Amino acid sequence: GNSVTQMEGPVTLSEEAFLTINCTYTATGYPSLFWYVQYPGEGLQLLLKATKADDKGSNKGFEATYRKETTSFHLEKGSVQVSDSAVYFCALSVSGNTPLVFGKGTRLSVIA
Amino acid sequence: DAGITQSPRHKVTETGTPVTLRCHQTENHRYMYWYRQDPGHGLRLIHYSYGVKDTDKGEVSDGYSVSRSKTEDFLLTLESATSSQTSVYFCATQRGGDEETQYFGPGTRLLVL
Repeated sequence: GNSVTQMEGPVTLSEEAFLTINCTYTATGYPSLFWYVQYPGEGLQLLLKATKADDKGSNKGFEATYRKETTSFHLEKGSVQVSDSAVYFCALSVSGNTPLVFGKGTRLSVIA
Repeated sequence: DAGITQSPRHKVTETGTPVTLRCHQTENHRYMYWYRQDPGHGLRLIHYSYGVKDTDKGEVSDGYSVSRSKTEDFLLTLESATSSQTSVYFCATQRGGDEETQYFGPGTRLLVL
């Protein structure tokens, strides 16, 4: 079946540190890949996505590259801020007519 | 943003009582979803709908039922609430077709005593 595995948290970083959150997937066919972010007390919102191999999604300084050879979609940011503290979810979709498959989420805390 | 609202936003109820949560969307998206979020489990799909009166079960559907009589509304009912159903419930929508992105509501925090 389809599944997403992301690194366990929590992850605690100092402001301006480099961030990597690992995400790997198992899927039939050629899925689209997503990162969602959930700020405290809010719902999930789309952070970035990539729909085919070697695509790079980017938004708000975050980036992730769709690597088919390693079935990965790791999230990176060069310099985190306190305001990036949130829970990050990796997800995949095999079609627009089926539910997304989510990883369990990684909590990031950034301290000043 | 798919203009998704959820009501109520917070609810406290007692074991054995029925509870209905409402999700309302303004973007005419075909697909609607109910998830629950619990520590250590991430998001788990309860039920989803692929059109008016068309629904299907997710991975944790026991104890829950849903209805969708209009495109814009998707109701989640706990027939007889139990303490294990204390959770945060999120509604999501998806246009469908070639659009795979899901859009989430702000959530409903439910406490079953």
